[in-house]
Amino acid sequence: DADVTQTPRNRITKTGKRIMLECSQTKGHDRMYWYRQDPGLGLRLIYYSFDVKDINKGEISDGYSVSRQAQAKFSLSLESAIPNQTALYFCATSPLGGGSYNEQFFGPGTRLTVL
Amino acid sequence: QKEVEQNSGPLSVPEGAIASLNCTYSDRGSQSFFWYRQYSGKSPELIMSIYSNGDKEDGRFTAQLNKASQYVSLLIRDSQPSDSATYLCAPHSYNTDKLIFGTGTRLQVFP
Repeated sequence: DADVTQTPRNRITKTGKRIMLECSQTKGHDRMYWYRQDPGLGLRLIYYSFDVKDINKGEISDGYSVSRQAQAKFSLSLESAIPNQTALYFCATSPLGGGSYNEQFFGPGTRLTVL
Repeated sequence: QKEVEQNSGPLSVPEGAIASLNCTYSDRGSQSFFWYRQYSGKSPELIMSIYSNGDKEDGRFTAQLNKASQYVSLLIRDSQPSDSATYLCAPHSYNTDKLIFGTGTRLQVFP
């Protein structure tokens, strides 16, 4: 079984629709992240959460919101989708702690197309 | 100056050769460094981590770190066509307590 799962894997929607992307993990990690990836721009951090009660904006949070329902679940919402939110979205997790515990583990991604 | 700089490539090497991928970073406080491999349309996969100056070997992969020069590299020996992917360098930022990803170097291994 996959340690980090994302649903849906692919989604096509129309401008103005509300969309929720979900992420679940069985790794027992406290930290969770949402990234988007566009060709040539690399990974850009949208939101991150270091524990259930901690939510932080990343570098491109405008137009997005998140919910950390439990240690294992972190959802990303697009309240009113627009075409420039078309991208590949990744959820990632990492353990709590410094030193060698900073590595992140990624889910399989959600390909979102906004028409 | 970008926080993490990588040559975007593509870096083309023949099968069986050594591929050398380089990365420089700006946060002098970074203590841990990671290399991810990403196939087109897939998620990044962690392949190497390094925390101390010097070399760390794992199979065909060797990571090299020089904190004084703020430089980290990844060597892939006996390159295979299946190594063709984009390689992302990701230092852990001491200041923000997060990974900072480079935009990646695309590697092409031709038969």
